[in-house]
Amino acid sequence: QKEVEQNSGPLSVPEGAIASLNCTYSDRGSQSFFWYRQYSGKSPELIMFIYSNGDKEDGRFTAQLNKASQYVSLLIRDSQPSDSATYLCAVNTGYSGGYQKVTFGIGTKLQVIP
Amino acid sequence: TAGITQAPTSQILAAGRSMTLRCTQDMRHNAMYWYRQDLGLGLRLIHYSNTAGTTGKGEVPDGYSVSRANTDDFPLTLASAVPSQTSVYFCASSVSFDNEQFFGPGTRLTVL
Repeated sequence: QKEVEQNSGPLSVPEGAIASLNCTYSDRGSQSFFWYRQYSGKSPELIMFIYSNGDKEDGRFTAQLNKASQYVSLLIRDSQPSDSATYLCAVNTGYSGGYQKVTFGIGTKLQVIP
Repeated sequence: TAGITQAPTSQILAAGRSMTLRCTQDMRHNAMYWYRQDLGLGLRLIHYSNTAGTTGKGEVPDGYSVSRANTDDFPLTLASAVPSQTSVYFCASSVSFDNEQFFGPGTRLTVL
């Protein structure tokens, strides 16, 4: 089982709809969770982080964390064509081999159709 | 603010040659990282540094070495490049290890 799992997609949604991106993780001790957006040919950029169970909202983005079920999700409301990108889930699983291990999922490609 | 810079932007390298990928940050972040990103495999950690003067091995360190002589610079060296090291390399930094990471623009390396 991969430590951080994401469906690679592509996930296609019409403009104005809600895009729902999901991520599951295997280590129950994981403490912090990050969502990065990566446009084609560019570097990842942080859009959200969440540490506690529940929802965290920032503009059109909402991160949801459920530690009991070991999943974290990202909702994008009123999706725009400019949201088309690959979304990476990253999980900090704590110290491993001398460092704080952050494991990235392979990313979900989102396509917003005008 | 420049953030994190990487050089070169891209490079074609003959197998067996050595090369150093440069990474500089101006945010005074303590932690720095080198990742490679390959299709279908995502981002994988090569080496990391918790603070200046210390380095450690990540998930895929073989064939790579790093140094951290000061806070700002974290070069990655390939001593003898092989085709399997063809990848996009990202340098990143964070205030400390449990904080969000900021990424450089990347270096696209092709080893022939």
